[in-house]
Amino acid sequence: DAGITQSPRHKVTETGTPVTLRCHQTENHRYMYWYRQDPGHGLRLIHYSYGVKDTDKGEVSDGYSVSRSKTEDFLLTLESATSSQTSVYFCAISGVVGTGANTGELFFGEGSRLTVL
Amino acid sequence: ELKVEQNPLFLSMQEGKNYTIYCNYSTTSDRLYWYRQDPGKSLESLFVLLSNGAVKQEGRLMASLDTKARLSTLHITAAVHDLSATYFCAVDMNNAGNMLTFGGGTRLMVKP
Repeated sequence: DAGITQSPRHKVTETGTPVTLRCHQTENHRYMYWYRQDPGHGLRLIHYSYGVKDTDKGEVSDGYSVSRSKTEDFLLTLESATSSQTSVYFCAISGVVGTGANTGELFFGEGSRLTVL
Repeated sequence: ELKVEQNPLFLSMQEGKNYTIYCNYSTTSDRLYWYRQDPGKSLESLFVLLSNGAVKQEGRLMASLDTKARLSTLHITAAVHDLSATYFCAVDMNNAGNMLTFGGGTRLMVKP
């Protein structure tokens, strides 16, 4: 199994509070992603990173920011949480270490369930 | 905007039967992926299809890709209860292996 750890795994917070979710990998993969999963929507990409300090927006980036100061850590921040951000958040990684082709296959963390009241 | 549509969204079938899940997508791509998710769990990679005509098989599941038709199929042969899960297809938006768009998922229930 890919070494991906998400924290916290469960969080309940109130509207307007800041929330940070952490994704930590031990695989030294280049690409890291944050997805959210909601019933009827499958998984939707929030932000992704293609290297340290290199990030870009995904399909549903409004209300979210990310940071990647080290290869192994990718943080997702909700500056002011809203009820519409209640969801399950998945971190994923892809890529290869060193040379070789990136097949794009994603490896997922266990998910973080966030409830915003 | 890339759209990825799966059908059916929900499938209830008897053990021992065969069935196919379809994944259609709206833009050119040579890379398609299938994932499995059990309730309350993470997603597990099943198949990686990287070219037109690619076919992969694992146990009772077989996946294929037709890039000209923009269609992938996941065929289930002689279903067993353990295959009950939600199956997602995902398409690489830019063929670079770094951004996937997921379909809405097909929830499969296999009844004894």
